[in-house]
Amino acid sequence: GENVEQHPSTLSVQEGDSAVIKCTYSDSASNYFPWYKQELGKGPQLIIDIRSNVGEKKDQRIAVTLNKTAKHFSLHITETQPEDSAVYFCAANNNNDMRFGAGTRLTVKP
Amino acid sequence: KAGVTQTPRYLIKTRGQQVTLSCSPISGHRSVSWYQQTPGQGLQFLFEYFSETQRNKGNFPGRFSGRQFSNSRSEMNVSTLELGDSALYLCASSFGTRTETQYFGPGTRLLVL
Repeated sequence: GENVEQHPSTLSVQEGDSAVIKCTYSDSASNYFPWYKQELGKGPQLIIDIRSNVGEKKDQRIAVTLNKTAKHFSLHITETQPEDSAVYFCAANNNNDMRFGAGTRLTVKP
Repeated sequence: KAGVTQTPRYLIKTRGQQVTLSCSPISGHRSVSWYQQTPGQGLQFLFEYFSETQRNKGNFPGRFSGRQFSNSRSEMNVSTLELGDSALYLCASSFGTRTETQYFGPGTRLLVL
């Protein structure tokens, strides 16, 4: 089955800096990779996703890159703001299963 | 369009009791998946329902069960509660299958004393 590893588990950056979170997956059949943001007391919210036929996708300050050969994908947040502080989860999805990474707690210091 | 709703938001039970949690998916979504989230184990898949049928099941004991109604609303039940069942229970809905984009509800926080 699919196994998703996510690094780092915690990340602290200064406001305005960039943050990068990386995930690796094991199942080469995985073809859909969403990223979720979970704020305290709330459920995970989809922030961006990418499919295996695309190498990069960007939405304002958030971008995701996918390297199918290496089986890893990354979330990039530029110009971080305090409201970006949350736990971020990656997920990898084949047609039968979706597995989540363990999460990254991002803290943006003002 | 309203998001996924879950009730109740918070629940306190004692060991041995049972509990029922409810989830209303986004209108038009037919798949409802349930997850258990704990600090130590992260997001663990419980089961998925589609058109009133359980389609997939995670690795949880039989004390955890669920069902889905004709309007796609879903309930999950945990019987004979244990202390380790304390967790945030999340429901997610998607249009077709859980391999498509899933949208999560706010969760039900269960505390077992």
